[in-house]
Amino acid sequence: GQNIDQPTEMTATEGAIVQINCTYQTSGFNGLFWYQQHAGEAPTFLSYNVLDGLEEKGRFSSFLSRSKGYSYLLLKELQMKDSASYLCAASDSNYQLIWGAGTKLIIKP
Amino acid sequence: DTAVSQTPKYLVTQMGNDKSIKCEQNLGHDTMYWYKQDSKKFLKIMFSYNNKELIINETVPNRFSPKSPDKAHLNLHINSLELGDSAVYFCASSQDLVSGALGLDTQYFGPGTRLTVL
Repeated sequence: GQNIDQPTEMTATEGAIVQINCTYQTSGFNGLFWYQQHAGEAPTFLSYNVLDGLEEKGRFSSFLSRSKGYSYLLLKELQMKDSASYLCAASDSNYQLIWGAGTKLIIKP
Repeated sequence: DTAVSQTPKYLVTQMGNDKSIKCEQNLGHDTMYWYKQDSKKFLKIMFSYNNKELIINETVPNRFSPKSPDKAHLNLHINSLELGDSAVYFCASSQDLVSGALGLDTQYFGPGTRLTVL
């Protein structure tokens, strides 16, 4: 079956760095997405990886290892506004996004 | 201008009723989706339409019927509402099915409709 696993909740301190992990199993693979979702709001796109390696975009970076079925989202210089849920989603062979349940990130001052 | 809009934002209704949620996108996209996000926060695809034609229909009860009058609109009609239908329903759109799944474009989500069935 198809499955996305990520931690339910993480806590970090303002100004610090946090890494949110995601493992996936899909029928075929066409890339890995990370979305941010603030409470009560819609998900918004953060990053997309299809090749192995690290993609950096400002304070946020995303990493992919296709052989391990693994990705992580790295957030640096954490700000209070980064408190949100971070959703991992893998694109399968039918170009359908399979979503994880999201990781709720709590930032403490 | 709102790219993907949904109405209503909140919907509270009794079991057994029939209700509709409307979605419109002004991005000129070909593909639209309906997702259900339950209390555990899983986003599950329900339907996907490309140029008014159904292309993905996950295992959802046939009480749920999508209608696409044109490619800018995808409405969701739900018959005989049940307690388990309570969730947040998100509409989304992408340029086309492949672009939205290959990172060539992203899926743009509407603000969501929080449905509560009493």
